[in-house]
Amino acid sequence: AQSVTQLGSHVSVSEGALVLLRCNYSSSVPPYLFWYVQYPNQGLQLLLKYTTGATLVKGINGFEAEFKKSETSFHLTKPSAHMSDAAEYFCAVSLPITGGGNKLTFGTGTQLKVEL
Amino acid sequence: GAVVSQHPSRVICKSGTSVKIECRSLDFQATTMFWYRQFPKQSLMLMATSNEGSKATYEQGVEKDKFLINHASLTLSTLTVTSAHPEDSSFYICSAKRPRTVNTEAFFGQGTRLTVV
Repeated sequence: AQSVTQLGSHVSVSEGALVLLRCNYSSSVPPYLFWYVQYPNQGLQLLLKYTTGATLVKGINGFEAEFKKSETSFHLTKPSAHMSDAAEYFCAVSLPITGGGNKLTFGTGTQLKVEL
Repeated sequence: GAVVSQHPSRVICKSGTSVKIECRSLDFQATTMFWYRQFPKQSLMLMATSNEGSKATYEQGVEKDKFLINHASLTLSTLTVTSAHPEDSSFYICSAKRPRTVNTEAFFGQGTRLTVV
């Protein structure tokens, strides 16, 4: 079974500052890892994903994340926060199973607040 | 990216009535769809996996007679909350994946805010 831990349910940064949202996972096999963003009363939008290959993945809106197997981490970063980045962010993990479902296990989420 | 449409976006119903939520994949055929429930300020919890042409697979603790899932076509899955009660009030989100693909990305609907009064 897999699990995801997001440290910090709330993160507050100043506009223009670095954004760092932490995610650690537990999995019996090398997993697929995802970051999703959710705006109020909306569904989830994929920011980026890691499946195989390069461990540093770049996503939309200037976000990126690095898969570190030794640390079982997949932290999300953005060099400079923008007011529009204020949202809920979810880290998720799934197992690389072919032909079957896409069971995502989500972390508890991190609410990002961006202040002027 | 693929588009998944969920309808309605908001619904208010009286206690004891049933509510149907639709999840459609608009530009691809989805053999598998997923239904999640999200309580305020909490994460998404998988309720069930909906497979086209077969019975849904429910997660532990989810009442299958309470939350009826029908996946009658490759582009539509429905979740019916039967005999709804105030504690069923929540945000319900569906997702879908393309068939015959390695387990990568799921595409999410916009969600449905259900309020039972």
